[in-house]
Amino acid sequence: EAQVTQNPRYLITVTGKKLTVTCSQNMNHEYMSWYRQDPGLGLRQIYYSMNVEVTDKGDVPEGYKVSRKEKRNFPLILESPSPNQTSLYFCASSPRFDEQFFGPGTRLTVL
Amino acid sequence: RKEVEQDPGPFNVPEGATVAFNCTYSNSASQSFFWYRQDCRKEPKLLMSVYSSGNEDGRFTAQLNRASQYISLLIRDSKLSDSATYLCVVRPPGRRALTFGSGTRLQVQP
Repeated sequence: EAQVTQNPRYLITVTGKKLTVTCSQNMNHEYMSWYRQDPGLGLRQIYYSMNVEVTDKGDVPEGYKVSRKEKRNFPLILESPSPNQTSLYFCASSPRFDEQFFGPGTRLTVL
Repeated sequence: RKEVEQDPGPFNVPEGATVAFNCTYSNSASQSFFWYRQDCRKEPKLLMSVYSSGNEDGRFTAQLNRASQYISLLIRDSKLSDSATYLCVVRPPGRRALTFGSGTRLQVQP
């Protein structure tokens, strides 16, 4: 089954404790991205990747890091999480810039 | 001004009703337009692309008005299962990213 998977689905953590949210796709898509979704603000892109070892900032990259060592994986790293990073996070992949296929989401709470 | 603006709703309509949503975008050179659907606490999923000539998919019709910079979504014969948030999505020129509106919530009632 073609899909995008994310782990964990739910995470409660404390300020400053490094965490990684994994994302994997099995559709051989070149383009992957991370979004956060907050009430009233819609989905905002954090980072995206055009292909292996090619990443670039989206609209809200501060406080996040990404890597793309393999085509299928695109982890999101929060080196020192803060409460304002409490949000719903979605990973997405796409064969081109349009039509994104989203993962099921990761609900993160930073205390 | 937001790049993509939508009325948040909610739109409460009875089953069988016809409902229309509009969405405005700020960059006149935007190139691609979409409607996504998002169910509560779920991931967004592509509903349909929006073409310059308009397009229809069953009970759903999407239109693009470049002169006025808006796109619309028309849902005919609403079903309970249409209850969701509908996201207007635009790809601005020169950007390798999609810009999402905040969504319009639709609640279809029996």
